[in-house]
Amino acid sequence: GAVVSQHPSWVICKSGTSVKIECRSLDFQATTMFWYRQFPKQSLMLMATSNEGSKATYEQGVEKDKFLINHASLTLSTLTVTSAHPEDSSFYICSAPDRGHGGYTFGSGTRLTVV
Amino acid sequence: QQQVKQSPQSLIVQKGGIPIINCAYENTAFDYFPWYQQFPGKGPALLIAIRPDVSEKKEGRFTISFNKSAKQFSLHIMDSQPGDSATYFCAASTYTGFQKLVFGTGTRLLVSP
Repeated sequence: GAVVSQHPSWVICKSGTSVKIECRSLDFQATTMFWYRQFPKQSLMLMATSNEGSKATYEQGVEKDKFLINHASLTLSTLTVTSAHPEDSSFYICSAPDRGHGGYTFGSGTRLTVV
Repeated sequence: QQQVKQSPQSLIVQKGGIPIINCAYENTAFDYFPWYQQFPGKGPALLIAIRPDVSEKKEGRFTISFNKSAKQFSLHIMDSQPGDSATYFCAASTYTGFQKLVFGTGTRLLVSP
């Protein structure tokens, strides 16, 4: 089946620095990538939708200048958390629709801890 | 309209029991209803999904029951095992165009030995 490879699996950064999270579709073309955020013991909250070659669409309440999304190719989408603060500490997950097989494939997630 | 309501929030069953998790939706445009299993520190993994043209779908020990008129669907896990202990999420979307998934709030399942 379709695979989305997400890196890094975990990262610790200092407050004020930026962190980049990558998601790659390994065996299919991901024209769309969904980015989620998940707090402990909570559900997945959609942050933004990126489409290859165009600007991302952000959900209400998500700061687009803080969470920069780039989807420059059909196999790579990145999320950059800029000027990270402790409240940005969370589990970030990407997901892409697999149009060939139907359904959505999720990355393994990135645990971000800002200290 | 975009919400998917999931219950119960947590569930404890004994090994071999049949936990049942329920979800309800409002948006009649939804036509794709997947269930995901998530272990701590991992991304969600698709268990099983159903479209509205059938009322039940079974894959291995997992069964989805779908009631279109009531706008409800549920997950049954047959012969549950301790390894099934995880968080389960229902979701809904519109299949055509692969619109964003709307997730339920999740159910933490514990299967005791």
